[in-house]
Amino acid sequence: DAGVTQSPTHLIKTRGQQVTLRCSPKSGHDTVSWYQQALGQGPQFIFQYYEEEERQRGNFPDRFSGHQFPNYSSELNVNALLLGDSALYLCASRPRGLRNTEAFFGQGTRLTVV
Amino acid sequence: QKEVEQNSGPLSVPEGAIASLNCTYSDRGSQSFFWYRQYSGKSPELIMSIYSNGDKEDGRFTAQLNKASQYVSLLIRDSQPSDSATYLCAVYNFNKFYFGSGTKLNVKP
Repeated sequence: DAGVTQSPTHLIKTRGQQVTLRCSPKSGHDTVSWYQQALGQGPQFIFQYYEEEERQRGNFPDRFSGHQFPNYSSELNVNALLLGDSALYLCASRPRGLRNTEAFFGQGTRLTVV
Repeated sequence: QKEVEQNSGPLSVPEGAIASLNCTYSDRGSQSFFWYRQYSGKSPELIMSIYSNGDKEDGRFTAQLNKASQYVSLLIRDSQPSDSATYLCAVYNFNKFYFGSGTKLNVKP
């Protein structure tokens, strides 16, 4: 079992550009959530996908959007990048419908906006 | 008020001692609680989950939950330098995780 995998691991972008981050969930997991972790802070919830639709959203602007594919993998897109978008972006997966289950994180994508 | 509060530390303990990490949460209806360990520059790694009041032990780790006090703790016995990391408390509520800012633990050899 490969666990949760994210790509790329590191990325440098320029202000105003757009970026796409990718996530493949752990085998057997159908729910994917994305988190932003700024330096020295805990992860902040961006949104959650299952059944290919956005189901929950945190307090992030519309510049942050996502997608889930039929194989449960997911993408996070960020448009019009700002310096403040520099962070570690984490994907977490868990099986939906089970009440007490843990979420497992991928290794993250370190995004630097210059 | 933040959903999940942790003391940022750093908490320094000597090797072999017990490290005690604490967390409070605001939503009394929360049902699932987790501790993650995060090494610098790495992603969070699940250490413990706890769902009912009381203690749950796994090796050197013990999680404690008191829903009446809205309090979760993590005890690390026989602390090792390799335990030095940031420990994140997470509460699962309304289909999403709320994380504290983490407590930095430093275990001195």
